[in-house]
Amino acid sequence: DVKVTQSSRYLVKRTGEKVFLECVQDMDHENMFWYRQDPGLGLRLIYFSYDVKMKEKGDIPEGYSVSREKKERFSLILESASTNQTSMYLCASSSLGGRQPQHFGDGTRLSIL
Amino acid sequence: GDSVTQMEGPVTLSEEACLTINCTYTATGYPSLFWYVQYPGEGLQLLLKATKADDKGSNKGFEATYRKETTSFHLEKGSVQVSDSAVYFCALRSNTGNQFYFGTGTSLTVIP
Repeated sequence: DVKVTQSSRYLVKRTGEKVFLECVQDMDHENMFWYRQDPGLGLRLIYFSYDVKMKEKGDIPEGYSVSREKKERFSLILESASTNQTSMYLCASSSLGGRQPQHFGDGTRLSIL
Repeated sequence: GDSVTQMEGPVTLSEEACLTINCTYTATGYPSLFWYVQYPGEGLQLLLKATKADDKGSNKGFEATYRKETTSFHLEKGSVQVSDSAVYFCALRSNTGNQFYFGTGTSLTVIP
């Protein structure tokens, strides 16, 4: 069965810390995505990547960066965490092109204190 | 650009009631359409999909038909259970390839 694994289900960090959220997929997908989900705002795309070392900004990239050194792994980095980045973060992957859906991880509930 | 509009929630139903969650889309050409379900504290799980006009996706008693003429993909279930309580998202994949668009989600609560 397909699998997208996020490294932490819950994470608590302090303001100003550098935070890494990791995501690994085992489906050999080219595309990987990071979203944040907040009540009343739905899913908002932060960054996506369609190949190793390639990245594209989504709708809300400010305050975030990403890294894709290997095809199966896509990391989201909060350079200097702030309280307004407290949220649920969702990683997803999909094939390049075609008509197949995205597959999501279980999410990371991140709290910035 | 492409977009998805789905019914606002929350929706509260009694067990065994019929469910319809409306979803309409705007897209160029022929996108693929999906319904996802999200249980509390979890990620999104694919519930069903349809990749061309008149396709019917189905899973776990849920159904949705890809209607090109009305640009709709409404989610239906004939008899809901308490375990169906979740948030449901309608989504599309554009036919140009790698863009995905989501509705804002509809929260469903089923009471015994």
